[in-house]
Amino acid sequence: KQEVTQIPAALSVPEGENLVLNCSFTDSAIYNLQWFRQDPGKGLTSLLLIQSSQREQTSGRLNASLDKSSGRSTLYIAASQPGDSATYLCAVRLQGGKLIFGQGTELSVKP
Amino acid sequence: DVKVTQSSRYLVKRTGEKVFLECVQDMDHENMFWYRQDPGLGLRLIYFSYDVKMKEKGDIPEGYSVSREKKERFSLILESASTNQTSMYLCASSPPDRYYGYTFGSGTRLTVV
Repeated sequence: KQEVTQIPAALSVPEGENLVLNCSFTDSAIYNLQWFRQDPGKGLTSLLLIQSSQREQTSGRLNASLDKSSGRSTLYIAASQPGDSATYLCAVRLQGGKLIFGQGTELSVKP
Repeated sequence: DVKVTQSSRYLVKRTGEKVFLECVQDMDHENMFWYRQDPGLGLRLIYFSYDVKMKEKGDIPEGYSVSREKKERFSLILESASTNQTSMYLCASSPPDRYYGYTFGSGTRLTVV
């Protein structure tokens, strides 16, 4: 059974710092991996989608990497801002279309 | 801009009521999903659908049913609401092609009293 783990569960950093969020999964048989952002009480906003054949994807200050063989992905946020404060979720897409989520990392960026 | 729209942001219902949560997408996606999200438990899949009139049970289908009469609309039904169904409910859609990601709605916070 696929399990997705995110470490740390919570992270607090000063504004301007570069940071890395981690995601690991137990079964490498995935189609793709998606990173989401969730603001309190809101839905999920897709940030980056990495196909199983890709190593990384970039969007602005965000860079996501994928090492399928080791079951790991990282989300790198450069020059963090208070507006980046949110919960970040990773999810892997399985055969059949199901998405399995990690528990999320709650990020707080202090001014 | 593509959208998944959930009809209500907040709902308060009484125990035993029949509750309908509606989700509409404008992207012509075949796949649609219902998740619930609870603190400490994360997102759990309730039901999903690959096409009109098709449905599949997810990990926690007990106490729920679904309806998909049109491609764009996927409804979650709580047959007899209970307090342990108080939760955030999230709808999502995706194309069938595995190269695409999911798009989520803004969520419905349901409180059963």
